[in-house]
Amino acid sequence: DAGVIQSPRHEVTEMGQEVTLRCKPISGHNSLFWYRQTMMRGLELLIYFNNNVPIDDSGMPEDRFSAKMPNASFSTLKIQPSEPRDSAVYFCASRGGVAADTQYFGPGTRLTVL
Amino acid sequence: SQELEQSPQSLIVQEGKNLTINCTSSKTLYGLYWYKQKYGEGLIFLMMLQKGGEEKSHEKITAKLDEKKQQSSLHITASQPSHAGIYLCGADKQAGTALIFGKGTTLSVSS
Repeated sequence: DAGVIQSPRHEVTEMGQEVTLRCKPISGHNSLFWYRQTMMRGLELLIYFNNNVPIDDSGMPEDRFSAKMPNASFSTLKIQPSEPRDSAVYFCASRGGVAADTQYFGPGTRLTVL
Repeated sequence: SQELEQSPQSLIVQEGKNLTINCTSSKTLYGLYWYKQKYGEGLIFLMMLQKGGEEKSHEKITAKLDEKKQQSSLHITASQPSHAGIYLCGADKQAGTALIFGKGTTLSVSS
């Protein structure tokens, strides 16, 4: 059974460039979450979707960040323009199905903005 | 806003020793989750606790949630090098919402 899939696993970019992170949730899961992990702040929620609809985006840092979920099997997190302080590990998680209370995490995307 | 505090922040134990990690919430929890993370990898789900006084075990790891549902402990018996990693507790204030996380406890096991 495939878990949550994220791509790319690593991204190095220069300040000002656009970055797009991708996530494929576990099939049958109806909730999808984007988190960001840094040494200073730990793991924080950015945004989450239920049935492809954004429910809570209060964690999105600013207008430079945007997230979409065009269908149940795909989501993107975009940063435009990127800044060095955006460097972090970005995780996608999904929930649903039989174990409806449990979130399952992807391997993360390590983003470095130079 | 709700916060989760984990203690200790880091822990070094000798292989074979027992250890306990604590997670304390400022508010009553709906659900409490324990995850393990290895450096450079995602979070692996360990256990979820919902009821006050609940206790669950998986192999040598036992997690408990107190009666008031504000504190949880994770106990590892006879630690092994494979137990090394970062242990994170997470909680949701109500069903169907996102999780907030503690800062994590880094566990090292020396052989």
